[in-house]
Amino acid sequence: EAQVTQNPRYLITVTGKKLTVTCSQNMNHEYMSWYRQDPGLGLRQIYYSMNVEVTDKGDVPEGYKVSRKEKRNFPLILESPSPNQTSLYFCASSSLAGLTYEQYFGPGTRLTVT
Amino acid sequence: ILNVEQSPQSLHVQEGDSTNFTCSFPSSNFYALHWYRWETAKSPEALFVMTLNGDEKKKGRISATLNTKEGYSYLYIKGSQPEDSATYLCASPPNAGGTSYGKLTFGQGTILTVHP
Repeated sequence: EAQVTQNPRYLITVTGKKLTVTCSQNMNHEYMSWYRQDPGLGLRQIYYSMNVEVTDKGDVPEGYKVSRKEKRNFPLILESPSPNQTSLYFCASSSLAGLTYEQYFGPGTRLTVT
Repeated sequence: ILNVEQSPQSLHVQEGDSTNFTCSFPSSNFYALHWYRWETAKSPEALFVMTLNGDEKKKGRISATLNTKEGYSYLYIKGSQPEDSATYLCASPPNAGGTSYGKLTFGQGTILTVHP
């Protein structure tokens, strides 16, 4: 089944404790992206990747890192999480860079930082 | 940041009603317009990606139109059903090419509730 997977789905952590949210897609998509969703603010793009080893900042990259060493994986790294990073996170992928194709979203990761 | 705006913010309709809502975006350097449906406790699912002025797309009872010259897209739902209740999101890349080629900016969404 074609899908985007994220792990973990739920995470409660403490301020400053490094964490990684994994994202994997099995559709051989070139483009992958991370978003966060906060009430009243809609989906906001954190980072995106046009292909392996090619990543760039979205609209809200502060406090996050990403890497794209393999085509299928695009982990989101929070080196020192803070309470303002409490949010619902989505990973998405698309078949071609250029955004003229639909994005497929993962199931979401709900992160709480205390 | 590109301003992608959606209206109304929320909408309540009765089963069987037809409804529509709007996504507006700056018309300069238009590249593509995405529509997604996001049901509670699920992840967003693509409805349409539109690129051409005057484009009209349809999926079942849902259709969308695009006007790139004036910077808006309409999403129509004909004969709304309770299962259509969801948040409908539109999104657009800020420019065609350039250094922000992969950026995508979402509107805040229209929350549709269809009452039986």
